[in-house]
Amino acid sequence: AQSVTQPDIHITVSEGASLELRCNYSYGATPYLFWYVQSPGQGLQLLLKYFSGDTLVQGIKGFEAEFKRSQSSFNLRKPSVHWSDAAEYFCAVVPVVNAGNMLTFGGGTRLMVKP
Amino acid sequence: DGGITQSPKYLFRKEGQNVTLSCEQNLNHDAMYWYRQDPGQGLRLIYYSQIVNDFQKGDIAEGYSVSREKKESFPLTVTSAQKNPTAFYLCASSKLSSNEQFFGPGTRLTVL
Repeated sequence: AQSVTQPDIHITVSEGASLELRCNYSYGATPYLFWYVQSPGQGLQLLLKYFSGDTLVQGIKGFEAEFKRSQSSFNLRKPSVHWSDAAEYFCAVVPVVNAGNMLTFGGGTRLMVKP
Repeated sequence: DGGITQSPKYLFRKEGQNVTLSCEQNLNHDAMYWYRQDPGQGLRLIYYSQIVNDFQKGDIAEGYSVSREKKESFPLTVTSAQKNPTAFYLCASSKLSSNEQFFGPGTRLTVL
């Protein structure tokens, strides 16, 4: 079945430490890939997206993600985490052949930042 | 400012009552979506619409209804048939030519 998996439900890092959030997908062809961030009780904000081209994608707030076709992964990274990065992060995909542009979301990873 | 508004932010209803959640956008987007969010389950698609007066069921449409009488508006009604309606509801919109969806701030519905 086609799916998006975020293996880590919770992650805690210290402020200033590096961060990597994992995302794996299972689709026959490479889908369009997205990372969203959600602060508590708020809507989702797009961090970055990958459609094609350079496999290292830069986003807002100092985030980047790397698409690895061989691993069916699109992991999100940040070299130095700030306390304001504490939030929930969602990986999402749109299959390339998808007339309705439907997003399928992973279950989310909640990031906590220790002072 | 262009964006998506959802109202109210918090909504309480008694079991057995229908309730309608509002979603309005001034981004001139053709497509609009409703998602339900439960802890640990990500977002699941309820309904979507790509054009006025037309909409399609998503993955979890049972117990919900929508209308799309205007391009800017896509209200969601949670009916008494929805077995577990307490959740956070998110509305989104996008251009038909784009895969990028823009989200509203959400409505938290609690059924007592």
